[in-house]
Amino acid sequence: AQSVAQPEDQVNVAEGNPLTVKCTYSVSGNPYLFWYVQYPNRGLQFLLKYITGDNLVKGSYGFEAEFNKSQTSFHLKKPSALVSDSALYFCAVTIYNQGGKLIFGQGTELSVKP
Amino acid sequence: GAGVSQSPSNKVTEKGKDVELRCDPISGHTALYWYRQSLGQGLEFLIYFQGNSAPDKSGLPSDRFSAERTGGSVSTLTIQRTQQEDSAVYLCASSLGAGGVSYEQYFGPGTRLTVT
Repeated sequence: AQSVAQPEDQVNVAEGNPLTVKCTYSVSGNPYLFWYVQYPNRGLQFLLKYITGDNLVKGSYGFEAEFNKSQTSFHLKKPSALVSDSALYFCAVTIYNQGGKLIFGQGTELSVKP
Repeated sequence: GAGVSQSPSNKVTEKGKDVELRCDPISGHTALYWYRQSLGQGLEFLIYFQGNSAPDKSGLPSDRFSAERTGGSVSTLTIQRTQQEDSAVYLCASSLGAGGVSYEQYFGPGTRLTVT
């Protein structure tokens, strides 16, 4: 069965510092990986995805993520955090025969302080 | 353009009553997904539609839950005889691909269901 782990419930970062939100996955087959962000009382917004090709993918709002097959990880990163980045971040995975059905991690609350 | 819309945004119902939750996907999106977000369980897949058919209903928690999609567009999630454990935010998403793994899903704002 597919699964996603986000080992940190909360990440605290000072504005201007780099941020990392961790994600590891377990799948049978090739993974297709996604990051979504959820602002308070809002639906999920797509940030970026890895399907194939370059291991480093860039997405919205200056975020990027690196696919590491050997470590089964897909960590989300940003070089310089903004207070407005504070939100709940979800990593998700699917595989080719699942119809696009996403399996989500438990989410990581990112707090960026001025 | 218009995104995914869901109605109602909030629903409070008494235990034992039936509820219907509606999702209007982005026009032209052939795949539609229902998820549930709750404090204890996180984000869980419920069911997905490819056109009007549902190839995967594996996430529906019990036979009290059902969903349909008509005209390849609007979908309704019905919960019969609601229980307190059904309280959650129900999220709908749509995507371009008919089950395509590479297509990102666009989510609606959700329906917050409270069963008293």
